[in-house]
Amino acid sequence: GQQLNQSPQSMFIQEGEDVSMNCTSSSIFNTWLWYKQDPGEGPVLLIALYKAGELTSNGRLTAQFGITRKDSFLNISASIPSDVGIYFCAGPSSNTGKLIFGQGTTLQVKP
Amino acid sequence: SQTIHQWPATLVQPVGSPLSLECTVEGTSNPNLYWYRQAAGRGLQLLFYSVGIGQISSEVPQNLSASRPQDRQFILSSKKLLLSDSGFYLCAWGPPSEQYFGPGTRLTVT
Repeated sequence: GQQLNQSPQSMFIQEGEDVSMNCTSSSIFNTWLWYKQDPGEGPVLLIALYKAGELTSNGRLTAQFGITRKDSFLNISASIPSDVGIYFCAGPSSNTGKLIFGQGTTLQVKP
Repeated sequence: SQTIHQWPATLVQPVGSPLSLECTVEGTSNPNLYWYRQAAGRGLQLLFYSVGIGQISSEVPQNLSASRPQDRQFILSSKKLLLSDSGFYLCAWGPPSEQYFGPGTRLTVT
């Protein structure tokens, strides 16, 4: 079945640094979603991308829908301690329509 | 605006005991509803989804069941819990392509 592969699996960075993570698949996706999960809470939708090549920002976060429709990138600029959490990419399966999730990228920020 | 609630927030239950977790959604009608389980803080596994009252689809064979007695209420149940049922249970609502999650229930089976 369709899978989403996220990298890196984890990151430990200094406050103020920029962060980049990505999500790839061998299959085409028509929508890409990025979620953030704070410890002990449910995931929160950060950005939704609907068009190949689309670049969308939400504050310090910027996400791009890859032109091949097989990948997406999330960048965080000038990281702060509250950026800590797990970031998931997700997309609807072309076979079932249900959301498929990546395994997540864990971000830790050192003040 | 729409909000989603889950109850309880945490639960510790002995092996073999029954389970009932509740999810309710406000501010929308006839939402698609979903139950996910998350183990060890990573990886979301879809357990059940519902497109309407009394309509439940199961994604994986397991010790759990789901019911939707009302339009905006989704319940996850078990008759006898197993140790392997421990985890973080998340309810979500929304179309298949864009889902919104509740705060989750942390279940520990001892």
